[in-house]
Amino acid sequence: KAGVTQTPRYLIKTRGQQVTLSCSPISGHRSVSWYQQTPGQGLQFLFEYFSETQRNKGNFPGRFSGRQFSNSRSEMNVSTLELGDSALYLCASSDSYEQYFGPGTRLTVT
Amino acid sequence: GENVEQHPSTLSVQEGDSAVIKCTYSDSASNYFPWYKQELGKGPQLIIDIRSNVGEKKDQRIAVTLNKTAKHFSLHITETQPEDSAVYFCAAPQGGGADGLTFGKGTHLIIQP
Repeated sequence: KAGVTQTPRYLIKTRGQQVTLSCSPISGHRSVSWYQQTPGQGLQFLFEYFSETQRNKGNFPGRFSGRQFSNSRSEMNVSTLELGDSALYLCASSDSYEQYFGPGTRLTVT
Repeated sequence: GENVEQHPSTLSVQEGDSAVIKCTYSDSASNYFPWYKQELGKGPQLIIDIRSNVGEKKDQRIAVTLNKTAKHFSLHITETQPEDSAVYFCAAPQGGGADGLTFGKGTHLIIQP
């Protein structure tokens, strides 16, 4: 099976802009989780979607949102970007306990 | 919510020696504990996991032990090799019946030749 894919791999945005990141899970996986990874805070959970419904949400402001489509592909959106949003954004898919990560999208906010 | 503490933050061992990384968790209802390896420029890779109904699990040179009473679990790597150099993360479920993990801060494992 193909692994988790994320697009784009790299992105540079300016403060105040918005950005949309995409994740395609492993075929057959219905759960997609999103994480933010920074040197200071480590890996932090953003939200999790299952069958197009958000089941769980981490402690992030409302500027961070997501959605999942009927084919299990997921997108996350960050509005009004801040410098502190610069991070590696990772998505993971699962069909039970095990979560499998994609390579991430490196977002740089200038 | 779940809180996961991981130690040490950096671990340097001689090639061929063993490495042990330890984690504690706070939620006694947690029942699944994965370990991830992350190499530079890549996403975390699941290397081994354990569920709360067993105390130990082994896969070749890697083993994980779980002590539910003390709420801690450990990763053991034997006969370390240069390719084991990476950052290792432990994790536990966020809780609430949904997927999503709480991660430790990570351990940078350095294998000295």
